[in-house]
Amino acid sequence: EDQVTQSPEALRLQEGESSSLNCSYTVSGLRGLFWYRQDPGKGPEFLFTLYSAGEEKEKERLKATLTKKESFLHITAPKPEDSATYLCAVGLENNRLAFGKGNQVVVIP
Amino acid sequence: EAQVTQNPRYLITVTGKKLTVTCSQNMNHEYMSWYRQDPGLGLRQIYYSMNVEVTDKGDVPEGYKVSRKEKRNFPLILESPSPNQTSLYFCASSFRTPGNSPLHFGNGTRLTVT
Repeated sequence: EDQVTQSPEALRLQEGESSSLNCSYTVSGLRGLFWYRQDPGKGPEFLFTLYSAGEEKEKERLKATLTKKESFLHITAPKPEDSATYLCAVGLENNRLAFGKGNQVVVIP
Repeated sequence: EAQVTQNPRYLITVTGKKLTVTCSQNMNHEYMSWYRQDPGLGLRQIYYSMNVEVTDKGDVPEGYKVSRKEKRNFPLILESPSPNQTSLYFCASSFRTPGNSPLHFGNGTRLTVT
C-alpha cells in the first residue's frame, strides 16, 4: 500500500531558529513529489515539485530536497509569517496523489 | 487571475436535504478533483475527472455525485447529506494528471450537516 508519512506532526520554533520537516514515502512508483503550504481555513498553496533523487528547489526561506525514500523541507531563519501547515504529496503511477497528514509549524516572535 | 472558485464558502444544512457545491476554474485545466479534509485524516479524494464527461471514484466516493459537462465546471452533489459528511471540502485542478503537475486548490467549503 502506498504510504506518505510526515514528521514531526507539529513543531514550534523561535523566530530565526532553522529546522527541517520530513516526508517519507513508500510507493510503488514515484512520478513527482509536491510540497504545499496551507493556512488555516484556506486551500493548499503549491510550493515545489521534485522529480528525481538529488533534486533541490528553493524559494525565499524554504528549500526542498529529495532522496529515493524521503523529502525534506528546510526552513532557514523562519519568520512568524512562515507559520502554516506544510503538506507533502506523492504522485503515483496510477495518476493519483497520496497526501501526508501535514507538518503544523508555529513560529514564535 | 488564475483561480479555482468554490461556492459557497460556508454551508449549514439538515440531514437529507440535497445540496450542490459549485467549482469553476479559469485555467483551461483538464483534470479536476474534489477532496475532503478532516482532522487527523488529512486530505482524502472523493471524485476526480480527467476531462469532460470523464469522471471516476476516489478513495471516499460514497454519498457523493459529480458531473463534468463543461471543462471549467465540476460540481459536487450530495443527494441526501448525513452528519458524517460534515467536513471541509476542496476543489482542485491541474493542467495534466496530478502525478505530473501541481494541483491548484480553491479556498474551500465548510459544510455542516445537522
